[in-house]
Amino acid sequence: DVKVTQSSRYLVKRTGEKVFLECVQDMDHENMFWYRQDPGLGLRLIYFSYDVKMKEKGDIPEGYSVSREKKERFSLILESASTNQTSMYLCASSLTQPDTQYFGPGTRLTVL
Amino acid sequence: RKEVEQDPGPFNVPEGATVAFNCTYSNSASQSFFWYRQDCRKEPKLLMSVYSSGNEDGRFTAQLNRASQYISLLIRDSKLSDSATYLCVVSPPTGGGNKLTFGTGTQLKVEL
Repeated sequence: DVKVTQSSRYLVKRTGEKVFLECVQDMDHENMFWYRQDPGLGLRLIYFSYDVKMKEKGDIPEGYSVSREKKERFSLILESASTNQTSMYLCASSLTQPDTQYFGPGTRLTVL
Repeated sequence: RKEVEQDPGPFNVPEGATVAFNCTYSNSASQSFFWYRQDCRKEPKLLMSVYSSGNEDGRFTAQLNRASQYISLLIRDSKLSDSATYLCVVSPPTGGGNKLTFGTGTQLKVEL
């Protein structure tokens, strides 16, 4: 059974703080993704990666960066958190492209 | 025009009813199509893929109409446990990478 885990379910940070969200998958998937989900806007792709040390911008990369040093781990970084980054962040992975994406449970981030 | 459009609902139906959702997509060269289900405060999970010939999985039937660029999901004999948000998902054309585009979802509430 595919398992995607995220480091925190809930996170509260202050404006200007650096925030790390971590995602780990245990199925040796090539592709990993970071989304944010907001009411009325649906899931929006921030960044994705199709291989170690490779990354590509999604639809809304501004204010975010990512890191993929190991195949199983994909980190999302908010260099200086802002209140408009308050959201639900979802990580996903997939084996091939395009293919079924398996999601982690999500991290609800609040920036005060 | 949004890449993937869905009626947000909510659709409130009695138990045992048949309910249908439609979704339209803008890129006629889109390659693959899916329906995902998302329960309240949970991550999205694949419900079923959608094939040109149409496909059925128990009480669920998915159909694709490429000429009109829409996808449908039919749920027969609806159960209380079917209450969720249903996301229409479309992949890019061949060679367009491994991004999936998610609709904002249609909310279904099945009532006694």
